[in-house]
Amino acid sequence: DAGITQSPRHKVTETGTPVTLRCHQTENHRYMYWYRQDPGHGLRLIHYSYGVKDTDKGEVSDGYSVSRSKTEDFLLTLESATSSQTSVYFCASTPGGDEKLFFGSGTQLSVL
Amino acid sequence: SQQGEEDPQALSIQEGENATMNCSYKTSINNLQWYRQNSGRGLVHLILIRSNEREKHSGRLRVTLDTSKKSSSLLITASRAADTASYFCATDARDYKLSFGAGTTVTVRA
Repeated sequence: DAGITQSPRHKVTETGTPVTLRCHQTENHRYMYWYRQDPGHGLRLIHYSYGVKDTDKGEVSDGYSVSRSKTEDFLLTLESATSSQTSVYFCASTPGGDEKLFFGSGTQLSVL
Repeated sequence: SQQGEEDPQALSIQEGENATMNCSYKTSINNLQWYRQNSGRGLVHLILIRSNEREKHSGRLRVTLDTSKKSSSLLITASRAADTASYFCATDARDYKLSFGAGTTVTVRA
């Protein structure tokens, strides 16, 4: 399996605080993605990247920003966390845009 | 909005039986993929079928794709307890952004 790690694995934070989640991959994959998973909704795309410094919005991007300064790292920032952003966040990567995704183990985020 | 929708939402079968789940989608696609998620874990890729293919096999998995009906099915034959998981279809609508459905939860009873 591709080496893709997410940190932290669990985080509890308070409403209004900024939060940054990190995704690190060792496979030199060009494409990286951030999804959130909520009961009844499956996975919804937040942001994705198609190269260093090249990012675009997904379907639920409001309240989130991303950065990709190196091929291996893709950061997701919640600018001012809200309770509606309590979720499980998954990072994924792939070498080609039309190929299978490799997923990290997820980050459980609770916003109180 | 989600491109793919799985049916049924949940499925309970006896070990050794076959499990079939379906996925419908809305727009034309480049490929369709199926993933498995065990409880508390990340998703694992099972199989990818391209828009010009009609059927693919991988071990005990069989996937069909009907682009005229915008639908796909995943068949797991001779199910095992280890097949207990959630299964998701994901569609690539030619824009490199995979869109996932809400998933089918499969429980295999011993």
